Amino acid sequence: AQKITQTQPGMFVQEKEAVTLDCTYDTSDPSYGLFWYKQPSSGEMIFLIYQGSYDQQNATEGRYSLNFQKARKSANLVISASQLGDSAMYFCAMRAQKLVFGQGTRLTINP
Amino acid sequence: SQTIHQWPATLVQPVGSPLSLECTVEGTSNPNLYWYRQAAGRGLQLLFYSIGIGQISSEVPQNLSASRPQDRQFILSSKKLLLSDSGFYLCAWSPVRGYGYTFGSGTRLTVV
Repeated sequence: AQKITQTQPGMFVQEKEAVTLDCTYDTSDPSYGLFWYKQPSSGEMIFLIYQGSYDQQNATEGRYSLNFQKARKSANLVISASQLGDSAMYFCAMRAQKLVFGQGTRLTINP
Repeated sequence: SQTIHQWPATLVQPVGSPLSLECTVEGTSNPNLYWYRQAAGRGLQLLFYSIGIGQISSEVPQNLSASRPQDRQFILSSKKLLLSDSGFYLCAWSPVRGYGYTFGSGTRLTVV
């Protein structure tokens, strides 16, 4: 079975600070992928970053990086230099047999 | 380029009425297709997925059904809506090879 856990229902961060959103996962599949999506109030799901289970290096996409710790089964999202436009829901997801989502973290950036 | 279209954007339906939500993908062939539902403030729950025409897998027993009459068309239906069917419905597609999942803009369904 696949399971994704996001333990932070909400986070409040000052603008320009870095923020880490936690994600842990569980699967018995040796091959899997980990995703982070951003969902603004409009509801659209915006793909941010992807990490494959066999990737040796942590994925980075601009201000987003994924802190992948395979032994601990964690895939935390790090956003550097946060901006007001980063305020949104953030979802961690894992694809082994199918794409399964965590419950999300609501991130609020304060000016 | 590939695009995914989902409609309508919002829908208010009375309890007991039928439902039909449509999703189409352009610019690719033989995509994997998915229907997700999101309750308010919650994560996405996979409802159905399809790897080909007429091939539907159901993840959660419920009041809904899905069909794939054409390669790039995925339809979510119900014969009689329940109050608990309210939510935000998202269609998504992924290529047979590759890891990307692209979501439609969603349908906000309110059953009254």
